Amino acid sequence: EIVLTQSPDFQSVTPKEKVTITCRASQSIGSSLHWYQQKPDQSPKLLIKYASQSISGVPSRFSGSGSGTDFTLTINSLEAEDAATYYCHQSSSLPRTFGQGTKVEIK
Amino acid sequence: EVQLVESGGGLVKPGGSLRLSCAASGFTFSTYTMNWVRQAPGKGLEWVSSISSSSSYIYYADSVKGRFTISRDNAKNSLSLQMNSLRAEDTAVYYCARASDYMDVWGKGTTVTVSS
Repeated sequence: EIVLTQSPDFQSVTPKEKVTITCRASQSIGSSLHWYQQKPDQSPKLLIKYASQSISGVPSRFSGSGSGTDFTLTINSLEAEDAATYYCHQSSSLPRTFGQGTKVEIK
Repeated sequence: EVQLVESGGGLVKPGGSLRLSCAASGFTFSTYTMNWVRQAPGKGLEWVSSISSSSSYIYYADSVKGRFTISRDNAKNSLSLQMNSLRAEDTAVYYCARASDYMDVWGKGTTVTVSS
């Protein structure tokens, strides 16, 4: 099973600040890494697919990078509506796995 | 509008059974792999099971293998999860999600509580 480890677990950020969340895979997964945002009492929402590909309708301040074992989700100029938990997810092999999540709080 | 709507959750005693359903609309259901993903209270996301478009390929997480059965009816645009021998640790919100790789459409979820 591929283990995905996110860091940090929690981040408290002021509006307009830049946020960086990392996801490390226990073995190489190429670019089969996707990012989701989950707000309280909502279902997850796809933000980035295949490590760096943007999703229609997702604000351009969200971007992704990386390949192999190390990946990054960047939120440029954080907005209040970005308060949420962010998860990475790999589709390289079964079982599909998710990172433990990173909670982003707005100061 | 592309939509997934789960139903069938509820309170069940340990050892009991429950059948979840997911109704799909707004897209060609029969061409997509579908998944169940769950989230225990206050916890992260856990993939449970997936079924290919024609039901040829079915996979389960080890935690539910032998107890849960995924199925689909493409004529009715419906996905199901039969859950038997339920345990307290199966308590979670269960989401159905459209995906082969990335999960681009999610339902709102249905809550399953396993408690005596």
